Amino acid sequence: AQKITQTQPGMFVQEKEAVTLDCTYDTSDQSYGLFWYKQPSSGEMIFLIYQGSYDEQNATEGRYSLNFQKARKSANLVISASQLGDSAMYFCAMREGPGYGGSQGNLIFGKGTKLSVKP
Amino acid sequence: AAGVIQSPRHLIKEKRETATLKCYPIPRHDTVYWYQQGPGQDPQFLISFYEKMQSDKGSIPDRFSAQQFSDYHSELNMSSLELGDSALYFCASSFPSGGTDTQYFGPGTRLTVL
Repeated sequence: AQKITQTQPGMFVQEKEAVTLDCTYDTSDQSYGLFWYKQPSSGEMIFLIYQGSYDEQNATEGRYSLNFQKARKSANLVISASQLGDSAMYFCAMREGPGYGGSQGNLIFGKGTKLSVKP
Repeated sequence: AAGVIQSPRHLIKEKRETATLKCYPIPRHDTVYWYQQGPGQDPQFLISFYEKMQSDKGSIPDRFSAQQFSDYHSELNMSSLELGDSALYFCASSFPSGGTDTQYFGPGTRLTVL
């Protein structure tokens, strides 16, 4: 069965420092996508970054980067220069399959990591 | 940029009542997903539609039904509501471009069943 594991229920980081949120996954598919979403206390789910299983380079989006280690089945999120507004719940998610035609496109989420940024 | 629109944002119902949640996807997105997020939980996939046809089904109770209309908006119909249905319901939409098929979420509808 497909599974996403986030082992850090909560983390603290000092403002302006970098932080790594861990995510491991389990799938038997060769083609899959990995996503990170941010959920502030207000409740919305904000897309941060995507990594495809065939992408050879780690994805980056501004202060976010994804440390993708395929052999270890890990997809850790790195946030550089943390800001107070980064305090939120962070979910790692996996989409199995190629992700087109509406086939097998649903996301499986981890339990999330609650990040608190200290001033 | 246009985002996914969900209405209503908040809904309070009594047990055994019915509820209808609406979702308007990002323009040109042809796939809609519904997720349920209980308090302190991760989102769970309910059902999805591609080009107005149901494409995948997750842990959606038989009391719930959904459809996607010709204008691509979708509605989630919930009947015989139970206390356990209290949750945040997300709609997400995607357009399979470049194979990422990133799902963009709406702000959610917070349903409270009393």
